[in-house]
Amino acid sequence: DAKTTQPTSMDCAEGRAANLPCNHSTISGNEYVYWYRQIHSQGPQYIIHGLKNNETNEMASLIITEDRKSSTLILPHATLRDTAVYYCIVRVVGTYKYIFGTGTRLKVLA
Amino acid sequence: NAGVTQTPKFQVLKTGQSMTLQCAQDMNHEYMSWYRQDPGMGLRLIHYSVGAGITDQGEVPNGYNVSRSTTEDFPLRLLSAAPSQTSVYFCASSLQGPDTQYFGPGTRLTVL
Repeated sequence: DAKTTQPTSMDCAEGRAANLPCNHSTISGNEYVYWYRQIHSQGPQYIIHGLKNNETNEMASLIITEDRKSSTLILPHATLRDTAVYYCIVRVVGTYKYIFGTGTRLKVLA
Repeated sequence: NAGVTQTPKFQVLKTGQSMTLQCAQDMNHEYMSWYRQDPGMGLRLIHYSVGAGITDQGEVPNGYNVSRSTTEDFPLRLLSAAPSQTSVYFCASSLQGPDTQYFGPGTRLTVL
């Protein structure tokens, strides 16, 4: 399974876009990229996932580079409630295993 | 819908005791899984199930048993608790496969 590398922590001003990077240089062609977040010690919350095209939903946008070795999660207008740990995860299609790393701790500042 | 529920919220055990962590979902999801999260770490998959009667091991299965007799319930059994099993345990479910998993609130377990 491909592993992911994320910065340990980031700050973002409230109302600005939060751009969270993730490196997955060993990703294979059939591996999806998923993003989850964990607020305080709650259960993780699904945000978005993609294979090779950029994706957008009501929560965020996912930008995947053409070579698929990295991706960026974009929260377009960060709020204080977006303060959380964000996990970038890669999963092989047909398997049932996510490999969670330690994630990026995003702090949104007032 | 209540979503994914877990009981108990907190538990303290002594070394060698056994117990069952309960997980239930009311969304008719086929896929269910158990993770543990140690302090400052990401989640690690313990066991998962792709449907009633079918279970399989994840990344860290030793010391844990599971069964899936119904679609709704997926209990996790600690056979003989050890201090190394002190962790927060999360149950998750999804309609099919691990896509878009819904996580429960967690059970905080301390083994003395």
